[in-house]
Amino acid sequence: AQSVTQPDIHITVSEGASLELRCNYSYGATPYLFWYVQSPGQGLQLLLKYFSGDTLVQGIKGFEAEFKRSQSSFNLRKPSVHWSDAAEYFCAVGESALIFGKGTTLSVSS
Amino acid sequence: GAVVSQHPSRVICKSGTSVKIECRSLDFQATTMFWYRQFPKKSLMLMATSNEGSKATYEQGVEKDKFLINHASLTLSTLTVTSAHPEDSSFYICSAGPGTSGIDEQFFGPGTRLTVL
Repeated sequence: AQSVTQPDIHITVSEGASLELRCNYSYGATPYLFWYVQSPGQGLQLLLKYFSGDTLVQGIKGFEAEFKRSQSSFNLRKPSVHWSDAAEYFCAVGESALIFGKGTTLSVSS
Repeated sequence: GAVVSQHPSRVICKSGTSVKIECRSLDFQATTMFWYRQFPKKSLMLMATSNEGSKATYEQGVEKDKFLINHASLTLSTLTVTSAHPEDSSFYICSAGPGTSGIDEQFFGPGTRLTVL
């Protein structure tokens, strides 16, 4: 069955510290992978996407993600977190309709 | 990038009434649009696929008679929540894609917050 797993429900990171949000997927075909961010009461904003090619993908707001086919993972990283990064983060997979993970809530402490 | 709008952004209605939510692709045509539902602190769940000129395809467990979808044109899909009840309160989000380059990359609308009293 196709699915996306985000193992961490809630993560707290100190401002300025590095961040890694985990995402594992199960998908039959070549996966198209996405990371979205959602601030409270807001819609989804695309951070980055992977379709093919270089497995290290750069996104907006200083985020990057690395596709590892052998591990079925697409983890999101940021070297230095800002307080404004506090939000809900969703990993998704699909070719048109998307399958979303349950999300990871990121809190940033000062 | 492609822009998808939704209207209204927020709606409050009484139990038993019907509510219509519009999803528009502003700068591209979309033969297919998708409707998602997001419960508080939960992931987005695909409700249905809206197909221009034909019937929508509903995911398992979604009541097609309660959630009526009409894809009237290549830029407009509507979701009507009929005889709404408090349990229908949720955040509804649509997506659409221009379908270029062989990949139907989706662009999401800002969402509609429905509250049923």
